[in-house]
Amino acid sequence: AQSVAQPEDQVNVAEGNPLTVKCTYSVSGNPYLFWYVQYPNRGLQFLLKYITGDNLVKGSYGFEAEFNKSQTSFHLKKPSALVSDSALYFCAVRDQAGTALIFGKGTTLSVSS
Amino acid sequence: KAGVTQTPRYLIKTRGQQVTLSCSPISGHRSVSWYQQTPGQGLQFLFEYFSETQRNKGNFPGRFSGRQFSNSRSEMNVSTLELGDSALYLCASSLSDRQQETQYFGPGTRLLVL
Repeated sequence: AQSVAQPEDQVNVAEGNPLTVKCTYSVSGNPYLFWYVQYPNRGLQFLLKYITGDNLVKGSYGFEAEFNKSQTSFHLKKPSALVSDSALYFCAVRDQAGTALIFGKGTTLSVSS
Repeated sequence: KAGVTQTPRYLIKTRGQQVTLSCSPISGHRSVSWYQQTPGQGLQFLFEYFSETQRNKGNFPGRFSGRQFSNSRSEMNVSTLELGDSALYLCASSLSDRQQETQYFGPGTRLLVL
């Protein structure tokens, strides 16, 4: 069965520093991987996805993610964090049997000024 | 383009009642999926509709049902509400039911069951 793990409940980083939010996955076959962000009392906003091709995927708001097949990871990164990046981040994998998204438990990113 | 819209945004019901939530997808999108978000269980897939047909269903009891109309708008219904149904219900739309398509989410309907 497909699954996604986000090993950190919370990540704290100072503004201007690089940030990484970790995600590992387990799928049979080729993975379709997604990152979403959720601000308080809001829905999920799409950041980026990996379908195939380059292992480094660039997305919205300066975020990027690195797909590593051997480590089954898809970590979200940003070179310089902003206070406004503080939010809840979800990694997801597309269910191989259909089109449902299987989400990790989420990681709260806190960026301090 | 307007994003995914969901109505109502907030809802308070009592145990045993039923509720209907509505979702209007992004114009041109034909696939609509529903998810439940709770602090304990996180984000869980409910069901997906494409061209008025349910294509996929998550592990939820039969009290949870849905439908899609010819204009791609979708509704989900929960009958005989339980306290544990209190959650944020999120609707997402995508162009098609292909696995590589991005799902775009609405703001959600927050349901409180008393």
